[in-house]
Amino acid sequence: DGGITQSPKYLFRKEGQNVTLSCEQNLNHDAMYWYRQDPGQGLRLIYYSQIVNDFQKGDIAEGYSVSREKKESFPLTVTSAQKNPTAFYLCASSVNDRPDGYTFGSGTRLTVV
Amino acid sequence: AQKITQTQPGMFVQEKEAVTLDCTYDTSDPSYGLFWYKQPSSGEMIFLIYQGSYDQQNATEGRYSLNFQKARKSANLVISASQLGDSAMYFCAMTKGRRALTFGSGTRLQVQP
Repeated sequence: DGGITQSPKYLFRKEGQNVTLSCEQNLNHDAMYWYRQDPGQGLRLIYYSQIVNDFQKGDIAEGYSVSREKKESFPLTVTSAQKNPTAFYLCASSVNDRPDGYTFGSGTRLTVV
Repeated sequence: AQKITQTQPGMFVQEKEAVTLDCTYDTSDPSYGLFWYKQPSSGEMIFLIYQGSYDQQNATEGRYSLNFQKARKSANLVISASQLGDSAMYFCAMTKGRRALTFGSGTRLQVQP
């Protein structure tokens, strides 16, 4: 079955370390997105990519970096410059011609200690 | 810039009763889409319903309906015949242009037996 795979589900890192969150989709979707969710709050857009080798900053891009070398993959790196990295991270993808065609991954819960 | 406002942090409803979750939005663009998602405690995002700004009729999907009042810029979700499994966070979201979703802060719904 097609879908989005985020790994790992839980991730623990020491303060000051970079960490990369994986997001892979086999839906043949052109667009992919990364969101951050803090407890009891909504999702905020970190980065998005409409096509391979191109991506744009979202509303809270500082301290994060991404790459889009393949259509299927959109990894997110949380760098040491991110002040409060502990959060729930959701990856999503969408189809160009279907406004309701968003698919979300199951998320990665990152805890920095 | 787009903005979504959900003014109800938490709601209670008795099983089998209907409940309305409020959502207002702000945009100057005539073309946009409105979404509702359900997020259970597992963290996954479950798509419920979509309304396009040019749609003439209010969207319905099973027990879910969207009360779309364009002049008031509101897109309230109505859940009929609530079930215990409806207890979750509910998010209103909006998209236009770049197609990345903008989310509200959410409403936590608790269904009581």
